[in-house]
Amino acid sequence: NAGVTQTPKFQVLKTGQSMTLQCAQDMNHNSMYWYRQDPGMGLRLIYYSASEGTTDKGEVPNGYNVSRLNKREFSLRLESAAPSQTSVYFCASIIQNSGNTIYFGEGSWLTVV
Amino acid sequence: EDQVTQSPEALRLQEGESSSLNCSYTVSGLRGLFWYRQDPGKGPEFLFTLYSAGEEKEKERLKATLTKKESFLHITAPKPEDSATYLCAVQATYGQNFVFGPGTRLSVLP
Repeated sequence: NAGVTQTPKFQVLKTGQSMTLQCAQDMNHNSMYWYRQDPGMGLRLIYYSASEGTTDKGEVPNGYNVSRLNKREFSLRLESAAPSQTSVYFCASIIQNSGNTIYFGEGSWLTVV
Repeated sequence: EDQVTQSPEALRLQEGESSSLNCSYTVSGLRGLFWYRQDPGKGPEFLFTLYSAGEEKEKERLKATLTKKESFLHITAPKPEDSATYLCAVQATYGQNFVFGPGTRLSVLP
């Protein structure tokens, strides 16, 4: 009963370094999302994938890339990390048009120094 | 542009003191309005989905209501374990995205 699993939980990067956040869901959901959460700003959509093989930009895509590896996995890559990307990142998934309940992972805390 | 605002930003209640949280929204066409609870260091946890004005949903001490412009989360006789941040989100009829509000941070004191 894992639901949505994210790794790593915590990461410290130096400016300019790259890294990938991994996300996997075991609920056979069609759509997957990456959000970032910053104090006072709520959750903001970075990228989403409506189905395997498709990805689309959200509200704040600059500096990020994504890969929908298969139906289960959706990764988020920071190619050249910047201090402005210090945030908490949440992966989420949903079966569209079936109650539309969105399920979140536990979050990944990223600090860029 | 779809938008969600929440008030108050923070709320402190005594145990047993009922109150309401507000979520105001503008959306081109509402597919659903969602309430989530988020504990510190955790991901948001689903509470309710409301689909049309007039709809109400209840779960333990929580009751969510929906009008054409806003939603309320009523908390009746809260307990300290109800302390959390409560998030509201909307999904438009023609869209994949969920737009979230900034949340209301609720503290219930014993």
